[in-house]
Amino acid sequence: QKEVEQDPGPLSVPEGAIVSLNCTYSNSAFQYFMWYRQYSRKGPELLMYTYSSGNKEDGRFTAQVDKSSKYISLFIRDSQPSDSATYLCAMRTGAQKLVFGQGTRLTINP
Amino acid sequence: KAGVTQTPRYLIKTRGQQVTLSCSPISGHRSVSWYQQTPGQGLQFLFEYFSETQRNKGNFPGRFSGRQFSNSRSEMNVSTLELGDSALYLCASSLRQGSEGYTFGSGTRLTVV
Repeated sequence: QKEVEQDPGPLSVPEGAIVSLNCTYSNSAFQYFMWYRQYSRKGPELLMYTYSSGNKEDGRFTAQVDKSSKYISLFIRDSQPSDSATYLCAMRTGAQKLVFGQGTRLTINP
Repeated sequence: KAGVTQTPRYLIKTRGQQVTLSCSPISGHRSVSWYQQTPGQGLQFLFEYFSETQRNKGNFPGRFSGRQFSNSRSEMNVSTLELGDSALYLCASSLRQGSEGYTFGSGTRLTVV
């Protein structure tokens, strides 16, 4: 079993929809949680960074962490075609390596 | 402010050859990590360097090695290339080990034939 599980999709939604992306993890020692966005032929770009349970909002993006359930989510409101990309969750303990989910390929249809 | 620069962007090598990939971190960043990305396995950690010392290592064979120079630039080397080494190799830099987030380069696409 992988340490971090993420549904690879693909996920296709109409423009303006609310998108929900999720990851589950098995290592209760994970302390820091991130979401990255990766466009085709580019490296991952950091979207959100959290280190505690609860919600963190940044514009149209909301990251949610539930440590008791070992579950993290990323919500995208008012989705735009430019949001079409692969979204990767990542997490780590302290100064250790980042462990990534498989990535979810998202397409927003105009 | 320049981002993370990886060279070359694309590379085609033959089985059995060796290859060296280069990464220049963001100015002031002292930690450099390397990842391999494939469709089947996703992003897998190779190693992390900080102040010219390897701090963390992933579960890759000894054919994969790296180093970091005093100016924080890093190189990774893969010897005796195998077909399965074909992947996107990504470098990420951060201010220090365990910093908030990492900034990734665009990667080097290695194809082994």
